[in-house]
Amino acid sequence: QVQLVESGGGVVQPGRSLRLSCAASGFTFSNHAMHWVRQAPGKGLEWVGVVSYDGSNKYYADSVKGRFTFSRDNSKNTLYLQMNSLRGDDTAVYYCARARYGYDVLSGGDYWGQGTLVTVSS
Amino acid sequence: SSELTQDPAVSVALGQTVRITCQGDSLRTYYANWYQQKPGQAPVLVIYEKNNRPSGIPDRFSGSSSGNTASLTITGARAEDEADYYCNSRDSRANHLVFGGGTKLTVL
Repeated sequence: QVQLVESGGGVVQPGRSLRLSCAASGFTFSNHAMHWVRQAPGKGLEWVGVVSYDGSNKYYADSVKGRFTFSRDNSKNTLYLQMNSLRGDDTAVYYCARARYGYDVLSGGDYWGQGTLVTVSS
Repeated sequence: SSELTQDPAVSVALGQTVRITCQGDSLRTYYANWYQQKPGQAPVLVIYEKNNRPSGIPDRFSGSSSGNTASLTITGARAEDEADYYCNSRDSRANHLVFGGGTKLTVL
């Protein structure tokens, strides 16, 4: 069965960096674009961005553009989110989600991980 | 940027039918997906591309669309349907997705 497991969350000071990982199993990872979505405490879902199946195309929400970077290692079935210059409003649970139609970067997420909490605080 | 607007809260009596709506200009062009999220859990896809249900989603969930409005209908609401529901679609810009603000469904 499809499984996505995020890791790497924690408490980080403003201005610092953090890297999240999303380990995938149960499907052909290299055939699917992957989304990042976040949810601030008590708030709604916010699309962070997407990386294409081969990593060649990446699209970012305006709120994170220039600070966050997506990457993937298809040999390890792992997706990464590098977060730099973190701010208080980046505090959220970060989810990875598989794009339903693998080669369509803007097809919605069909399977989601359980999320990892990032808290930006001094 | 494009926005999707949802009512913050809706309630339904047990066994009755409820419609949750999502409005936005991008919905005139693109289909909506719908997600259910229960407290402390990850979102679950319940409807994709207007009115398709993933495997395992009960047929009491259905979707529809007209003009700039997409709707999620639950026919015969059950207690376990109490959750937050989010719509999601492509943004009017080329390469972005956008979520609605979410609707908290209470089953009375």
